[in-house]
Amino acid sequence: QQQVKQSPQSLIVQKGGISIINCAYENTAFDYFPWYQQFPGKGPALLIAIRPDVSEKKEGRFTISFNKSAKQFSLHIMDSQPGDSATYFCAAVGSGYALNFGKGTSLLVTP
Amino acid sequence: DSGVTQTPKHLITATGQRVTLRCSPRSGDLSVYWYQQSLDQGLQFLIQYYNGEERAKGNILERFSAQQFPDLHSELNLSSLELGDSALYFCASSVGSLASYNEQFFGPGTRLTVL
Repeated sequence: QQQVKQSPQSLIVQKGGISIINCAYENTAFDYFPWYQQFPGKGPALLIAIRPDVSEKKEGRFTISFNKSAKQFSLHIMDSQPGDSATYFCAAVGSGYALNFGKGTSLLVTP
Repeated sequence: DSGVTQTPKHLITATGQRVTLRCSPRSGDLSVYWYQQSLDQGLQFLIQYYNGEERAKGNILERFSAQQFPDLHSELNLSSLELGDSALYFCASSVGSLASYNEQFFGPGTRLTVL
């Protein structure tokens, strides 16, 4: 069963807008939460990650917000650009170190 | 370029056949992970090897097996193939410390089509 639930499945945002993707998990043993970006024909690449001892992490235009009590985390892409159009996956890692992925969000940023 | 290589890039075969997918990790990485990406199941962890030894198993079918060789490259063997095995298969590698999580770097994938 899917251990990480991700929404929305697809997202269309205008250039300059904010893209928001949400994820939720149940397993409290997860202790590392990365986001991956995947372009067509390529493998996923790490975008940004957070540990549950912080509530927010920002890298450039990308921010992760983390709510430990609600077991939810989200990715915000500020000033979205057409080059950000890709599929985004949230993931969670526990003691086994394997990535448990959400089902992905296809983001299209229109000019 | 992540430094992880996978061959072949594309593979087309028939039901009932057996195929082998190959992965070379980044230089110095000891851990190799295999993932399957399909439209209905998304990205799913199959199996992990660390320095030649199997370390963790995910949703890997009994028809599938893998191994990691002394030079640290890994092979994923898929047998008695079914139409539903058509998917993208990714290999990822990491430094592989047993004490803490290390970033996984993904290869470009092998697209398997079973006809």
